[in-house]
Amino acid sequence: AQKITQTQPGMFVQEKEAVTLDCTYDTSDPSYGLFWYKQPSSGEMIFLIYQGSYDQQNATEGRYSLNFQKARKSANLVISASQLGDSAMYFCAMRDTDSNYQLIWGAGTKLIIKP
Amino acid sequence: NAGVTQTPKFQVLKTGQSMTLQCAQDMNHEYMSWYRQDPGMGLRLIHYSVGAGITDQGEVPNGYNVSRSTTEDFPLRLLSAAPSQTSVYFCASSYSPGRGEKLFFGSGTQLSVL
Repeated sequence: AQKITQTQPGMFVQEKEAVTLDCTYDTSDPSYGLFWYKQPSSGEMIFLIYQGSYDQQNATEGRYSLNFQKARKSANLVISASQLGDSAMYFCAMRDTDSNYQLIWGAGTKLIIKP
Repeated sequence: NAGVTQTPKFQVLKTGQSMTLQCAQDMNHEYMSWYRQDPGMGLRLIHYSVGAGITDQGEVPNGYNVSRSTTEDFPLRLLSAAPSQTSVYFCASSYSPGRGEKLFFGSGTQLSVL
């Protein structure tokens, strides 16, 4: 069965430092997509970045980049130059075309940026 | 641009009561879905729809019904509320269910069942 694992329940990072949030996945389908979403304390889900399994290059969106290591089945989110506003829950999710369009989610990582 | 609109934002029910969570999107998205979010867990799919008139079950469908009579609306019905249904509910939509299509989310409904 498909599965997403986020092993870091919580992280503290000093402001302006880079931070890496871990995500590993398990699927037998060669075609899949990986997403990262941010959930601030206000509760909304905000899309950050997407990586397709066939994409040749690691995805980047502003200060967000995805360290995609297909052989290790990992898709870690890297936030450069962290800001206080980055404090939030971060979720990794996978869209598997073989599982009836389901988006499978990790349990999330709570990131707290210290001033 | 409204996006995905969910109502109500908060709701308290007594065990056994029924209610409908409303979800509407104005982006002409074919794919709509309902998730629940429980503490310490990722979102779990309840039901989804790939177009008007087509619905299917997700990972945790028991106790919930859905219908999709129009492209815009995808209400979620709790038939007989139970304390185990206390959760935060999110409605989401995307243009298609393709592997690269990101989901747009509503603001969530915090439901408590006493």
